[in-house]
Amino acid sequence: AQSVTQPDIHITVSEGASLELRCNYSYGATPYLFWYVQSPGQGLQLLLKYFSGDTLVQGIKGFEAEFKRSQSSFNLRKPSVHWSDAAEYFCAVGAVPGNKLVFGAGTILRVKS
Amino acid sequence: EAGVTQFPSHSVIEKGQTVTLRCDPISGHDNLYWYRRVMGKEIKFLLHFVKESKQDESGMPNNRFLAERTGGTYSTLKVQPAELEDSGVYFCASSQAGVRGPNSYEQYFGPGTRLTVT
Repeated sequence: AQSVTQPDIHITVSEGASLELRCNYSYGATPYLFWYVQSPGQGLQLLLKYFSGDTLVQGIKGFEAEFKRSQSSFNLRKPSVHWSDAAEYFCAVGAVPGNKLVFGAGTILRVKS
Repeated sequence: EAGVTQFPSHSVIEKGQTVTLRCDPISGHDNLYWYRRVMGKEIKFLLHFVKESKQDESGMPNNRFLAERTGGTYSTLKVQPAELEDSGVYFCASSQAGVRGPNSYEQYFGPGTRLTVT
């Protein structure tokens, strides 16, 4: 069975600083990996996804993530954080396209000015 | 294009009562999913419809939960009778089936229904 670990429950960064949110997954085969963001009062919005090919994936809002099979990781990065990036971020894994997603517990990002 | 909508946005009920949550997927999306987030924990899968058929209901916690998707359009999730541990945020998502390209397999989520059982 798949599982996802997001080791950081809360992260605080200064506006303009770089960001890395960690995600480790457990799955025996090639996973389908996703990062979602949830802003207050909003639904989950897909930031980026990895299915195959280039292991560095570009997403919306200036985010990117790198799939590292050897480390079972799919960390989310952004070179310069904006105050509007404050939200909760979820990493998710899927085994079969179109089937259920397994989510991590989420990381709450706080941005200080 | 309208996104996934859910109704109500909030519901407060007493233990033992019944609540029905509704989800309207994006038009043309055959796949519809229900997820739940309880007490700030991880978002957990409940079930998956393909059109009107239940493809996977392995996440349904018990028989107090009943999901339907009549006609393969909107879906309802009924909790009867509600228990305290059912409190949480219920998310609905939808996706297209059999689509290739950059938007394939992407699940679009609604804003969720916050259920509080007192």
